[in-house]
This record gives sequence, C-alpha cells and structure tokens, in this order.
Amino acid sequence: DAKTTQPNSMESNEEEPVHLPCNHSTISGTDYIHWYRQLPSQGPEYVIHGLTSNVNNRMASLAIAEDRKSSTLILHRATLRDAAVYYCILRDPGGTSYGKLTFGQGTILTVHP
Amino acid sequence: DTEVTQTPKHLVMGMTNKKSLKCEQHMGHRAMYWYKQKAKKPPELMFVYSYEKLSINESVPSRFSPECPNSSLLNLHLHALQPEDSALYLCASSQGEGLRYEQYFGPGTRLTVT
Repeated sequence: DAKTTQPNSMESNEEEPVHLPCNHSTISGTDYIHWYRQLPSQGPEYVIHGLTSNVNNRMASLAIAEDRKSSTLILHRATLRDAAVYYCILRDPGGTSYGKLTFGQGTILTVHP
Repeated sequence: DTEVTQTPKHLVMGMTNKKSLKCEQHMGHRAMYWYKQKAKKPPELMFVYSYEKLSINESVPSRFSPECPNSSLLNLHLHALQPEDSALYLCASSQGEGLRYEQYFGPGTRLTVT
C-alpha cells in the first residue's frame, strides 16, 4: 500500500477551524483516501473518505489536491471532543487485501479551551 | 444500532491460561476484523472474516485462534500467550469487505499477560 505522512501533533483552540494535512506522494490512481480518528480510550472511528473530489459530511470536510499527492481534513469548529489521534489511510480496491486498513502513526490533535 | 460490543473490557491472564475474547455486532455486517494495538502505536490488522470465512490472516502466531460462529459473533481464542502480547485488542465490523465500507470499531479489550 502507498504510504502517508502526517505531522506528529497539532494544536488548536476550541471553536476554531483545524486543518490536518496528509502527504501521499506515491498514491495510485485507484487509492481512496480515508480518515479515521481515535479518541482516548476508544476504538477508531470513521470520519470521511474520498477519491478525487472534495467531500463533506456532518463531521468534517476533506480537501484533495488536484494532483492527489496530498489532502487536508478540515474540522470547521473544533470542540474539546475532537481531541484525538487522526489517521490518514490509503485504501486500494484491488488485490486480495482490499479489506485491509493500514494505520500510520497519525496526528495527535490537542484542543485548548 | 451502530455499536460493536466487546467483552471483557479488561483481562489478565497467565502464560499457561486459555481465554477468549468476544465481539458482537447486530448491524447485519458481513465482514469482521481483529486488530491489535500496543501502547502509543497505531492498530495493526490481525484477521479479517468475510461471510463467516477467514479472508485475511496477517501471519499471526497460532497462539491466537479466531473463530466466527455466526455473522454477528467473532471470537479470539488465546492460549500460551507471551507478556509481549499484552495490548488492546480491537474488533471491528463493516457491511462488506470492500473499501467503500467504513469499519465500525468496538472499545477494545485491554489484555495483560503475566
């Protein structure tokens, strides 16, 4: 699977927007970009995914660069509950391991009141 | 109901014990997963079941033995574990195995091997 690179940690203030970057320069044309997050003492939680176009849902927005070599997860107004480890994951629909989620190190997001 | 439940929440076992972890979902999902997460590390996939059949085994040692008795249940049988197997064991499920299906995770079982 293609690799992703994320900053180790980021900080934000409550009610401010947060932009979490992810680099994936070796992404293939068929890789989907998925984001999961893991709150303290919980299992990971799906956030959003996309292929080429920007995507929005009730939790976040995903902005994908035109060349697809990077993407940004946007939390429009951070709350204390958004403090978590955020994982950017590439998923290849082909092959025999297409059910596999390979987590990288992720970004630890701290939200200050 | 979008919940995956796992029991027990915590488990302490000796190296000669046999124990089992249990995972349950009632979302009608046909794919279920076991992940292992060491402290301050990301989760790592261990097994995938699709339609109650083992689909992926990530070269996990045989002291971990998964079982999927029906579409709602997933077990992980543990035998002769080592202290380095102490970790958080996460179960997940999804509608299908394909990439368009998001995975729903349980809260995990915190396992300590003494």
